[in-house]
Amino acid sequence: GAGVSQSPSNKVTEKGKDVELRCDPISGHTALYWYRQSLGQGLEFLIYFQGNSAPDKSGLPSDRFSAERTGGSVSTLTIQRTQQEDSAVYLCASSSQSGSGYTFGSGTRLTVV
Amino acid sequence: AQRVTQPEKLLSVFKGAPVELKCNYSYSGSPELFWYVQYSRQRLQLLLRHISRESIKGFTADLNKGETSFHLKKPFAQEEDSAMYYCALPGSQGNLIFGKGTKLSVKP
Repeated sequence: GAGVSQSPSNKVTEKGKDVELRCDPISGHTALYWYRQSLGQGLEFLIYFQGNSAPDKSGLPSDRFSAERTGGSVSTLTIQRTQQEDSAVYLCASSSQSGSGYTFGSGTRLTVV
Repeated sequence: AQRVTQPEKLLSVFKGAPVELKCNYSYSGSPELFWYVQYSRQRLQLLLRHISRESIKGFTADLNKGETSFHLKKPFAQEEDSAMYYCALPGSQGNLIFGKGTKLSVKP
């Protein structure tokens, strides 16, 4: 597609359930990033994929969070046993090379009740 | 360590007034700095990057290495400039590090 696509756009889940968030980057973009946007906290970096290399997971807030990227394209962010503090907007971005300007998706608003 | 500081959470100005959104950074070497903007109900998008030295929607930003600043300026604010603005620079993990953002409100 022409832009970065994220699904679902909104997700309401019960505390303790697992959720999967999907990101489809711009075709040909080798770098893919996940961020979490919370009110008053700005953008918190979660994880970064460069091509088919193993990702840097050091930004993930806990071991309940994991992400994968299949075939160097689509990525899935999984949050297990969701907690209320996981409620936020999860943003995905891609770029043609690391550290350069990003193109962001419209995000997934996650609400844990 | 790389860090971006945006000291103002909220900046409110009247239409036609000059506006300056502050950004200070901590970085070893010569950074490439960015400003991103998020209008209401829209996705975050790149506004400008210092390396291109361009003016977008009347906004400019000059990198001041002595003061380690990259303030965003516009001489005459418009109501449609109301948005969240984020300053960013490259991190050590191949990512971009963002400031916490400044909400600009331009009143009629």
